[in-house]
Amino acid sequence: EIVLTQSPATLSLSPGEGATLSCRASQSVSSSLAWYQQKPGQAPRLLIYAASYRATGFPARFSGSGSGTDFTLTISSLEPEDFAVYYCQHHTSWPVTFGGGTKVEIK
Amino acid sequence: EVELLESGGGLVQPGGSLRLSCAASGFTFSSYGMSWVRQAPGKGLEWVSAISNTGVDTFYADSVKGRFTISRDNSRNSLYLQMSRLGAEDTAVYYCAKLPPPSANSGRTFEYWGQGTLVTVSS
Repeated sequence: EIVLTQSPATLSLSPGEGATLSCRASQSVSSSLAWYQQKPGQAPRLLIYAASYRATGFPARFSGSGSGTDFTLTISSLEPEDFAVYYCQHHTSWPVTFGGGTKVEIK
Repeated sequence: EVELLESGGGLVQPGGSLRLSCAASGFTFSSYGMSWVRQAPGKGLEWVSAISNTGVDTFYADSVKGRFTISRDNSRNSLYLQMSRLGAEDTAVYYCAKLPPPSANSGRTFEYWGQGTLVTVSS
């Protein structure tokens, strides 16, 4: 089973600031890495897949990068609606696994 | 518009059984794999099980293998999760999720989610 480690656990930032979230895999997942956004009381939403492809409905301020074992989700300038928990997930093969999440909170 | 509506959650005693359902609409159900993902209260996401569009291929997390069974009825546009020998560690919100086509570079991601159904295992 591939273990995904996200850091930091919590990111305290102000609107307008940029955010950088990290996801590290215990072994190479090539480019098969996805990111999800989850707001309180809501189901997660697919945000990024295949490391850098943005899913429908998300603006260009969200971008993903990386390959192999190290991945980054970048939010260029935080909007109020971006404060949420973000999870990474590898999608190479079953069983897929998720990282523990990074909470982006308002400072 | 894709809609996924889970049902069947509730309170169940340890060792008991429960069957979850997911009613799908807004897409050709028989063309897509489906999956269950769960989230314990205040915790992260855990993939549970997946099934191919035909139902022939099924996949399980080690934590539920031998206790849970995923199935689908394409004539009813419905996905199911039969859960048995439930323990406290199975307490979670269970989400039904649609998979993209296997050939897509987004394969094995969860592109649409339902709102979830809460399963509580407690005496």
